[in-house]
Amino acid sequence: GQNIDQPTEMTATEGAIVQINCTYQTSGFNGLFWYQQHAGEAPTFLSYNVLDGLEEKGRFSSFLSRSKGYSYLLLKELQMKDSASYLCAVRDRGFSGNTPLVFGKGTRLSVIA
Amino acid sequence: GAVVSQHPSRVICKSGTSVKIECRSLDFQATTMFWYRQFPKQSLMLMATSNEGSKATYEQGVEKDKFLINHASLTLSTLTVTSAHPEDSSFYICSARLLGRGTQETQYFGPGTRLLVL
Repeated sequence: GQNIDQPTEMTATEGAIVQINCTYQTSGFNGLFWYQQHAGEAPTFLSYNVLDGLEEKGRFSSFLSRSKGYSYLLLKELQMKDSASYLCAVRDRGFSGNTPLVFGKGTRLSVIA
Repeated sequence: GAVVSQHPSRVICKSGTSVKIECRSLDFQATTMFWYRQFPKQSLMLMATSNEGSKATYEQGVEKDKFLINHASLTLSTLTVTSAHPEDSSFYICSARLLGRGTQETQYFGPGTRLLVL
């Protein structure tokens, strides 16, 4: 089966750092993605991890541990515009060309002043 | 990043009518596009995988005769909701797959189409 877990909601203060965790149990693994989705809009791509370790991209970093089935998204220097849902998604089949993503339910982050 | 467009962005229709949603990759060719549906406060649920020049692959529980998918070119996929009912009201989002180096793959999402069936 497929199961992707992330916290439903989080609140953090402007300027602070927040870590959003994601755990997954899938039949296979071939990459983990993080997307940001503002209310009423489509998701936008943030990061991609396929090997263990930390990928840094500006204020956003994403970490992956394949042995633990675990990832986190780290947001630094939070801004009000970072208030959004953050979706963890896993590609659970091999790279065959038609591999969709399995999405978690998303974590709704509220940034407060 | 790559750009994917969807049209229309919002549609209201009467029960029993059909609605066509277009998904276009504007600056790259996409052999594979995905159609998702998202209900309020829910996650994205994959409906089908659309392959250029061949039949779409539908997820379990999605009626292929109700949700017609056509991927006639490398930049366009269409989803037609036939005989729409109020329970079909949802946010429909397409994504197009862009290949990177090695096995890296990124899916870019369209802006979504909000369908309301009265």
